[in-house]
Amino acid sequence: GAVVSQHPSRVICKSGTSVKIECRSLDFQATTMFWYRQFPKKSLMLMATSNEGSKATYEQGVEKDKFLINHASLTLSTLTVTSAHPEDSSFYICSASYGDIQYFGAGTRLSVL
Amino acid sequence: AQSVTQLDSQVPVFEEAPVELRCNYSSSVSVYLFWYVQYPNQGLQLLLKYLSGSTLVKGINGFEAEFNKSQTSFHLRKPSVHISDTAEYFCAVSGANAGGTSYGKLTFGQGTILTVHP
Repeated sequence: GAVVSQHPSRVICKSGTSVKIECRSLDFQATTMFWYRQFPKKSLMLMATSNEGSKATYEQGVEKDKFLINHASLTLSTLTVTSAHPEDSSFYICSASYGDIQYFGAGTRLSVL
Repeated sequence: AQSVTQLDSQVPVFEEAPVELRCNYSSSVSVYLFWYVQYPNQGLQLLLKYLSGSTLVKGINGFEAEFNKSQTSFHLRKPSVHISDTAEYFCAVSGANAGGTSYGKLTFGQGTILTVHP
């Protein structure tokens, strides 16, 4: 149980385009999901906390208009990287809370050309 | 606020040797503690967790960890490692309120790359 699916696993896009990443909890309902960014050889940096039916809470320094988060249902949260630029290239990972534990998706490797 | 320090960025060991990955934390509130493992280009998999009760917790793949409140540590151990244990390991902490409910947000350590040599 407690499986989190993240899609796509890898995306390559041109500079200036927008990219949407989906995070789904497959066998449980998650009122809270989290989005992280991981730089090469670095730890995970929390970007935002996504709550179903309300606005996401962004961490300091994360641009709300750049990284749009929507948590439309108890099993789906999306992260849209708007007008992506090469510096947005990174590994993005989502997680969903089940009780006091976070379960993670497999991550999305974004490469912006 | 919480912080986590993983004292070793890389740990090389030979197969079938024991290993300990060190983790220390600081927090002004009660904590829940976790160890996650990450294989290349993948997400994080929960190895084990300490929420309450026995300070020695056992996880998957033969790993265990001991919560030491006085030393604010949560070191991960395995008595005999396999080649397949080669991965990056993250220690994480979340704060908990007086009622024992997690605040939800995880703070991660910097990660320890475990490399098991034949």
